[in-house]
Amino acid sequence: ETGVTQTPRHLVMGMTNKKSLKCEQHLGHNAMYWYKQSAKKPLELMFVYNFKEQTENNSVPSRFSPECPNSSHLFLHLHTLQPEDSALYLCASSQARGDNEKLFFGSGTQLSVL
Amino acid sequence: AQTVTQSQPEMSVQEAETVTLSCTYDTSESDYYLFWYKQPPSRQMILVIRQEAYKQQNATENRFSVNFQKAAKSFSLKISDSQLGDAAMYFCAYRGDGGYGGSQGNLIFGKGTKLSVKP
Repeated sequence: ETGVTQTPRHLVMGMTNKKSLKCEQHLGHNAMYWYKQSAKKPLELMFVYNFKEQTENNSVPSRFSPECPNSSHLFLHLHTLQPEDSALYLCASSQARGDNEKLFFGSGTQLSVL
Repeated sequence: AQTVTQSQPEMSVQEAETVTLSCTYDTSESDYYLFWYKQPPSRQMILVIRQEAYKQQNATENRFSVNFQKAAKSFSLKISDSQLGDAAMYFCAYRGDGGYGGSQGNLIFGKGTKLSVKP
């Protein structure tokens, strides 16, 4: 048990579909993150939520829409994706304050866009 | 902009032997943090070791240690007494000295090194 749970584990969707990725953390953290891990590219930070407020959006296309209803849950809503969006999407959490706080990652959702 | 480079896409080590994974980075900041993460086939990223740039002493965690050369901007990971469970992707990562809310996740990652362990 990692403390950070992501569902679904795998997802296949067409370019016209709408789907959502879910992340839940049971660690009492107040900061949550979405990362994208593409083949042969470094892991990229997409969004940061700090106490449910989005504090960072790293130039992510609007077809990715994050939602953080509370400090324990984070969603990534997907619509009209492109094949190049196929990747592993990782969620992570941490305490928002303190440089010594470490990140805890989930096991990711492997997304394939057809 | 900061960058992280891992020049070894793949490495292999014999069980019980020692292996060193390389990482170099580029930054103009004086205070920052460096990390090594492990990603096994389960896909979950796990923190292996962390180094604060202001500390001259190299960080160690059991069989894992780093060689931090600040002037050379080098941060290599040494795995001693390699075990089959060490087989994974290893990512080097950089983080600036933010300290504000949510900054812990603002990491810049290298492309990774795939480590194989031979029995």
